[in-house]
Amino acid sequence: DSGVTQTPKHLITATGQRVTLRCSPRSGDLSVYWYQQSLDQGLQFLIQYYNGEERAKGNILERFSAQQFPDLHSELNLSSLELGDSALYFCASSVGGRGQFFGPGTRLTVL
Amino acid sequence: AQKITQTQPGMFVQEKEAVTLDCTYDTSDPSYGLFWYKQPSSGEMIFLIYQGSYDQQNATEGRYSLNFQKARKSANLVISASQLGDSAMYFCAMREGLRETSGSRLTFGEGTQLTVNP
Repeated sequence: DSGVTQTPKHLITATGQRVTLRCSPRSGDLSVYWYQQSLDQGLQFLIQYYNGEERAKGNILERFSAQQFPDLHSELNLSSLELGDSALYFCASSVGGRGQFFGPGTRLTVL
Repeated sequence: AQKITQTQPGMFVQEKEAVTLDCTYDTSDPSYGLFWYKQPSSGEMIFLIYQGSYDQQNATEGRYSLNFQKARKSANLVISASQLGDSAMYFCAMREGLRETSGSRLTFGEGTQLTVNP
């Protein structure tokens, strides 16, 4: 158990819908990262927050947005969902830079 | 741009033997970190080991060690005394920069599927 929690574990929805994925980092970790893992694209970095501020942005679509709240939990919002958004979405957290610890992931299926 | 290459899509090893998983990287940043993760079939990403570019010694964590050859830009993972539970996908990853406050995205390789045979 990495100490990072993600909810929900599985999500099945339809094209065009909007979903919210939630992440709670390990106690004391200030950074939260979101990654997407799909069969065709592999593991891709989406976005990083550090203590509530956006610090780095990767290949995140405009239909996707994220935020980190004062209690350091983070949410990833995915809207106007397409079939190609089906993937495993990971949240990770870190402090100090010598490790990034991943949550169990949310498996999103868009039908 | 940073790049990670794992040239072995699949590897097989006998139980109790050692195995080396290859990873090469490319970066122009003198400060970087290298990571290895294990992803079993259940899907979670398990952090195994970390090596910083300025670390003087190769990292070790239990049965895992990282063979860091800076001049060759390689960071191979060595698993000693393989166990059946080691069967999984293994990913090498790199972060440019050492400070998480300045943006610390990980770039991943494509992974190596390790199968441990009894």
